[in-house]
Amino acid sequence: SQQGEEDPQALSIQEGENATMNCSYKTSINNLQWYRQNSGRGLVHLILIRSNEREKHSGRLRVTLDTSKKSSSLLITASRAADTASYFCATGPRESQGNLIFGKGTKLSVKP
Amino acid sequence: KAGVTQTPRYLIKTRGQQVTLSCSPISGHRSVSWYQQTPGQGLQFLFEYFSETQRNKGNFPGRFSGRQFSNSRSEMNVSTLELGDSALYLCASSLDTGEEKLFFGSGTQLSVL
Repeated sequence: SQQGEEDPQALSIQEGENATMNCSYKTSINNLQWYRQNSGRGLVHLILIRSNEREKHSGRLRVTLDTSKKSSSLLITASRAADTASYFCATGPRESQGNLIFGKGTKLSVKP
Repeated sequence: KAGVTQTPRYLIKTRGQQVTLSCSPISGHRSVSWYQQTPGQGLQFLFEYFSETQRNKGNFPGRFSGRQFSNSRSEMNVSTLELGDSALYLCASSLDTGEEKLFFGSGTQLSVL
């Protein structure tokens, strides 16, 4: 079953614009992670935010977490064509490490 | 440091056959997880191994099995293949020292005809 649900399912923007993706989840979490997947390849970890954090930055990425609303957002600023990929949020139950539950992802297309 | 290596990259099988997929984790990583990715169901957790023991298992039939060796390398096996088993199978490893992020391989694309 899916824990996270990303919104929107697909997003198309121009290079230089910002891209915002949202994720909602259902149960209490230890942390929430965002991953990127280029077409047909493996996932790459982008950023992890813990349940006691509200915001985190990494380069052009900004992640927020609202545990009261059970939601997170990923902002990519000044998008590049190379950011074209699918983006997934993932959560794990408190007692396990490898058992991440992924949403269905947001497919981002950045046009040059 | 070499990344997570999965072999083979592509595989074509027919219904009823069985298949074995291999995963070599990043050196020093002791936890290996397997995921199935399909367009319809997305990414679904199969199982997780740590120190040769299955620690967690997802909701998949018994046709899906796995194991981990003493060098942390892992294999998963699918017996009596069905058309619906066609998917990208992803392996991920982690240190398992409290750092929760996973490192994924490029996956094995399995097509069942």
